[in-house]
Amino acid sequence: EAQVTQNPRYLITVTGKKLTVTCSQNMNHEYMSWYRQDPGLGLRQIYYSMNVEVTDKGDVPEGYKVSRKEKRNFPLILESPSPNQTSLYFCASSTRGTTNEKLFFGSGTQLSVL
Amino acid sequence: AQKVTQAQTEISVVEKEDVTLDCVYETRDTTYYLFWYKQPPSGELVFLIRRNSFDEQNEISGRYSWNFQKSTSSFNFTITASQVVDSAVYFCALSEARAGGSYIPTFGRGTSLIVHP
Repeated sequence: EAQVTQNPRYLITVTGKKLTVTCSQNMNHEYMSWYRQDPGLGLRQIYYSMNVEVTDKGDVPEGYKVSRKEKRNFPLILESPSPNQTSLYFCASSTRGTTNEKLFFGSGTQLSVL
Repeated sequence: AQKVTQAQTEISVVEKEDVTLDCVYETRDTTYYLFWYKQPPSGELVFLIRRNSFDEQNEISGRYSWNFQKSTSSFNFTITASQVVDSAVYFCALSEARAGGSYIPTFGRGTSLIVHP
């Protein structure tokens, strides 16, 4: 089954403790991206990747890192999480990242930073 | 300024009512795409429809219909005879080409639709 898999689904951590949220897709998609969803703000893009070893900042990249060493994986790294990063995170992918493509989303990761 | 405006934060209806979700967008591009996604209570976003800027034909899919009007920069979504299963947050999104060929789709803030039995 074609899907985008995120782990974990829920994560509670404390300020400053490094964490990684994993994202994997099995559709051989070149384009992958990370979004955060906050009440009243909708979805905002954090980082995106057009292909292996090609990443770029989205609209709200501060406090986040990403890497794209393999085509299927696009982990989101929070080196020193802070409470303002408490949010619902989504990973998404599409075939080549062109304007006409729909996005396939993961199930989301609810992160709470205490 | 928002590029995609969904002015309705929350809509509450009773089952079988018709409901329209509004989406107004802003772009200087002549080529762009508009999307609607549904986020049910389970959380995962699901693609509903895509429309390109050169195709203003309205579309109907079962109880769902979409009205795209370039003159008013709107791409509204209507659910006819709503059902409880339609309860979800609905997002409108705009996709434009950016410098370098990449794109970052812009999402509206979402409209939460609650359908009561």
